[in-house]
Amino acid sequence: GDSVTQMEGPVTLSEEAFLTINCTYTATGYPSLFWYVQYPGEGLQLLLKATKADDKGSNKGFEATYRKETTSFHLEKGSVQVSDSAVYFCALRRTSARQLTFGSGTQLTVLP
Amino acid sequence: GAVVSQHPSWVICKSGTSVKIECRSLDFQATTMFWYRQFPKQSLMLMATSNEGSKATYEQGVEKDKFLINHASLTLSTLTVTSAHPEDSSFYICSARDFKEGNTGELFFGEGSRLTVL
Repeated sequence: GDSVTQMEGPVTLSEEAFLTINCTYTATGYPSLFWYVQYPGEGLQLLLKATKADDKGSNKGFEATYRKETTSFHLEKGSVQVSDSAVYFCALRRTSARQLTFGSGTQLTVLP
Repeated sequence: GAVVSQHPSWVICKSGTSVKIECRSLDFQATTMFWYRQFPKQSLMLMATSNEGSKATYEQGVEKDKFLINHASLTLSTLTVTSAHPEDSSFYICSARDFKEGNTGELFFGEGSRLTVL
């Protein structure tokens, strides 16, 4: 079945550091890939997505590229801020499915 | 963006009692809502798909008599954990999609409800 494997956290960085959160997936066909973010006390919000190979999703300085050859969708940001502290979830959805399959989430803490 | 609201955000109950969690779409109509369960440091696991006006579709291994789902209107789905036990303690999250956007529209998530069963 489908699965998503995320880098285990927690991750602690200093402000302005470079961020990478690894995400790999297993799925048949060509799923759509997503990153969701969950700030403390809030629901999950879509951060970015990519629907086909080599697509790059970007939002709020975060980027992720859909790599079919490595079945990966790593999240990156060049300079993190304290306000980026949150839990990040990688997820996929097969074309024929209505629901998402999630990774386990990665807690990010950015220190001033 | 669209908002999905859950209530209560945190509930503590005694073993053997039943607890109801509400999920509302505040500014759109959702013919389908999804209920997830999240254990500490684990991924969100889909429990069931809630369909307005019809029976919910449960994932394999989820007890439908234990987790009662009702989707009485286009903006409200409820999850009732019946005869709760400590192993039911978890974080429950719902999500919904604006029915006008079809099956590929963005999913919006509630803030989650933490259930603690003593």
